[in-house]
Amino acid sequence: QVQLLQSGAEVKTPGASVKVSCRASGYTFNSYYIHWVRQAPGQGLEWMGVIYPSGGSTKYPQIFQGRVTMTRDTSTSTVYMELSSLRSEDTAVYYCATGGGLWMPFDIWGQGTMVTVSS
Amino acid sequence: QSALTQPASVSGSPGQSITISCTGTSSDVGGYNSVSWYLQHPGKAPKLMIHEVTKRPSGVSNRFSGSKSGNTASLTISGLQAEDEAYYYCSSYTSSSTLVFGPGTKVTVL
Repeated sequence: QVQLLQSGAEVKTPGASVKVSCRASGYTFNSYYIHWVRQAPGQGLEWMGVIYPSGGSTKYPQIFQGRVTMTRDTSTSTVYMELSSLRSEDTAVYYCATGGGLWMPFDIWGQGTMVTVSS
Repeated sequence: QSALTQPASVSGSPGQSITISCTGTSSDVGGYNSVSWYLQHPGKAPKLMIHEVTKRPSGVSNRFSGSKSGNTASLTISGLQAEDEAYYYCSSYTSSSTLVFGPGTKVTVL
């Protein structure tokens, strides 16, 4: 079955960068768009952008442009989300998710990766 | 800050029906049939409950239904059950080719 498996929890200091991975299985990796969504403690969901593994094209919302970079490694069926210039407000659970097509609803989610930014 | 508006909380007794609203603009909810609803239990990943305003994924109870009027989408849960107690988030495609989520609604079963 289609699965997304994310890397483990991270603790970072302010100003650093974090790179979270999301390994896909159960389908042809290049064919599904993968999105990233984050959730700060006690807060709602926030869309961070999307990557198309076939070719690596990306789309980010303006709020994250310049600070987020999504990449992929087709040899390992893995996508990465790197967030730079971390601040305390970036403390959140980061999810990868997919619905197949670019704007299809997310019926498959990773288990989430907790990123803590603290001095 | 979400571009969509949801009530912070909605409650109901077992067996009752409740409705959660999700209000946006003509640039998102009102302009596209790309509204989805997600259920999230604490500490868990969200689960898709409704997509394209009214469609239910396979395996989702028919007690969940969606609708839309103008710039407001709604999720109705009928025959409320204890297991329905969770947070519910709406999402919509936008005219900027982005995705936006609502702030979430906590559903409490009394």
